[in-house]
Amino acid sequence: QKEVEQNSGPLSVPEGAIASLNCTYSDRGSQSFFWYRQYSGKSPELIMFIYSNGDKEDGRFTAQLNKASQYVSLLIRDSQPSDSATYLCAVSEYGNKLVFGAGTILRVKS
Amino acid sequence: DVKVTQSSRYLVKRTGEKVFLECVQDMDHENMFWYRQDPGLGLRLIYFSYDVKMKEKGDIPEGYSVSREKKERFSLILESASTNQTSMYLCASLSGGFPYEQYFGPGTRLTVT
Repeated sequence: QKEVEQNSGPLSVPEGAIASLNCTYSDRGSQSFFWYRQYSGKSPELIMFIYSNGDKEDGRFTAQLNKASQYVSLLIRDSQPSDSATYLCAVSEYGNKLVFGAGTILRVKS
Repeated sequence: DVKVTQSSRYLVKRTGEKVFLECVQDMDHENMFWYRQDPGLGLRLIYFSYDVKMKEKGDIPEGYSVSREKKERFSLILESASTNQTSMYLCASLSGGFPYEQYFGPGTRLTVT
């Protein structure tokens, strides 16, 4: 059974700080990695994807991938109260089926 | 913009009833998915379809079936609803090219009493 593990949180950070969200996965054949954000009562929306080792930056978000360690992370710089949500890590082997982690709750305190 | 719609936002059914959840996407995507989401368990794949009339079981297909008669529509069927099927059900459709983004519908909160 392919697994994706995330700390459930809640992770609490003050406004303006860096939030660091982590994810590990069990399938070494995984090729693509996604971060979805889900606000309470809403459906998930894609915020970042990464498929090669290293860092990928998009605005205040940076995704980091280390395939040797089977580890993906999401950094949110200058965290805002509007970033408060559940962040879901998802991993894909072939690009269609995704395996999701249970999500990390992030709370940004103003 | 991709739009994925689901037939109901909230649904209350009785144990033993047959339940239909419908999902429609407007982007001509080939791949569509049904998940359920429960606290602490994340999203779990029930079934997916990669073409009309084609379907594959996901991780938790027991107690469910699906139908895909038209490309834009993917239905989830609970043959005989049970209380342990009370959950949030999310439909998703997959873009045809890299990075293979899944677009989610708004979800159906199903309560089985």
